[in-house]
Amino acid sequence: EPEVTQTPSHQVTQMGQEVILRCVPISNHLYFYWYRQILGQKVEFLVSFYNNEISEKSEIFDDQFSVERPDGSNFTLKIRSTKLEDSAMYFCASRPLLPTEEQYFGPGTRLTVT
Amino acid sequence: GDSVTQMEGPVTLSEEAFLTINCTYTATGYPSLFWYVQYPGEGLQLLLKATKADDKGSNKGFEATYRKETTSFHLEKGSVQVSDSAVYFCALSEGSGGYNKLIFGAGTRLAVHP
Repeated sequence: EPEVTQTPSHQVTQMGQEVILRCVPISNHLYFYWYRQILGQKVEFLVSFYNNEISEKSEIFDDQFSVERPDGSNFTLKIRSTKLEDSAMYFCASRPLLPTEEQYFGPGTRLTVT
Repeated sequence: GDSVTQMEGPVTLSEEAFLTINCTYTATGYPSLFWYVQYPGEGLQLLLKATKADDKGSNKGFEATYRKETTSFHLEKGSVQVSDSAVYFCALSEGSGGYNKLIFGAGTRLAVHP
């Protein structure tokens, strides 16, 4: 069964450094998402992406964040200058065209900023 | 904006006990509703869904009914197993025209003991 994959599974970085989190969505899906989950808190929407552009972003997704689909398979989340409060589990998700609204999630990348 | 409220955990049960995890939502319109499950060390997996009022979603012995009058989507299982130990997230789909995002509840941790 096709699945969403994410790399790395765990990333440790120093404050102020740039990180890129990578995702490979399911191949025939067209909508892509990033969510994050700070330890012990709820899963929060960051951004949605369709047709090579952002369709919606949350207040969390400020100028330090960017997303890209550099080729036909990868979907990346970049944080330009990490802060301690960026430490969280980051989930990538994808979805095919309607009518289904369910999203398929990857296993997550745990980001630790020290 | 839309929101989801879940009962706080952890919920601790003995094997074969009956499970209920309460979920209520606030939304404009009639969103699709979902239960996702997160097993230890894994990502979010869709457990079941319902797309309109009075729909019942079911999977792996779990059930939830979309109740418009009480704005609820409570998760139930008649006889839990140790392997059901996980965190359960209630979620709704917000948005239209294909551009949806998921709004999650805080999650409820279930621990089932032999």
